[in-house]
Amino acid sequence: SAVISQKPSRDICQRGTSLTIQCQVDSQVTMMFWYRQQPGQSLTLIATANQGSEATYESGFVIDKFPISRPNLTFSTLTVSNMSPEDSSIYLCSAGLEGGYTFGSGTRLTVV
Amino acid sequence: QKEVEQDPGPLSVPEGAIVSLNCTYSNSAFQYFMWYRQYSRKGPELLMYTYSSGNKEDGRFTAQVDKSSKYISLFIRDSQPSDSATYLCAMSSTTGFQKLVFGTGTRLLVSP
Repeated sequence: SAVISQKPSRDICQRGTSLTIQCQVDSQVTMMFWYRQQPGQSLTLIATANQGSEATYESGFVIDKFPISRPNLTFSTLTVSNMSPEDSSIYLCSAGLEGGYTFGSGTRLTVV
Repeated sequence: QKEVEQDPGPLSVPEGAIVSLNCTYSNSAFQYFMWYRQYSRKGPELLMYTYSSGNKEDGRFTAQVDKSSKYISLFIRDSQPSDSATYLCAMSSTTGFQKLVFGTGTRLLVSP
């Protein structure tokens, strides 16, 4: 099955700064997804990223706060901008592949 | 009403027990059903992936889908302490890789 490499695995950031999370898939995929998982909760979809088009954001998430890039079929980034403590969470990328959806190992973000 | 309902647990069982994990859903368009295992501080790991109704077995794991009842199950035979994790059901609708809708996850604890 495909492997998604996600980095950084964790970071502690100052409020007001930005963090860019990267995901690299070892095969070409059309759609990639970015999720947020807050402590003790399930996964919430932030946006869907297709190569060559603007990302589609879910209700409650906006491009200015979570800009996404998808420059090719194996790579995507999510930026968490102007961070506040409420952004402390685990961020996960995912790709739809034959046989299911695969996830990266997650980025644990703490904003202080 | 949530699209996908899952008992959060925790579910505590002794080693060797048969475990039954369940989800109900309301959207009849769901055709792809998945079970993920998530260890603490890790990304979700795909366990089982099924399409439409029926059973699928993989080692100690069996996934069942009953679309008429909008009910899916994951059975774990001969449960082991290493099975202690949170189990998330997820599903998506027809055509292509659409966004996943997750249950809240059931925390499973298998005691030696």
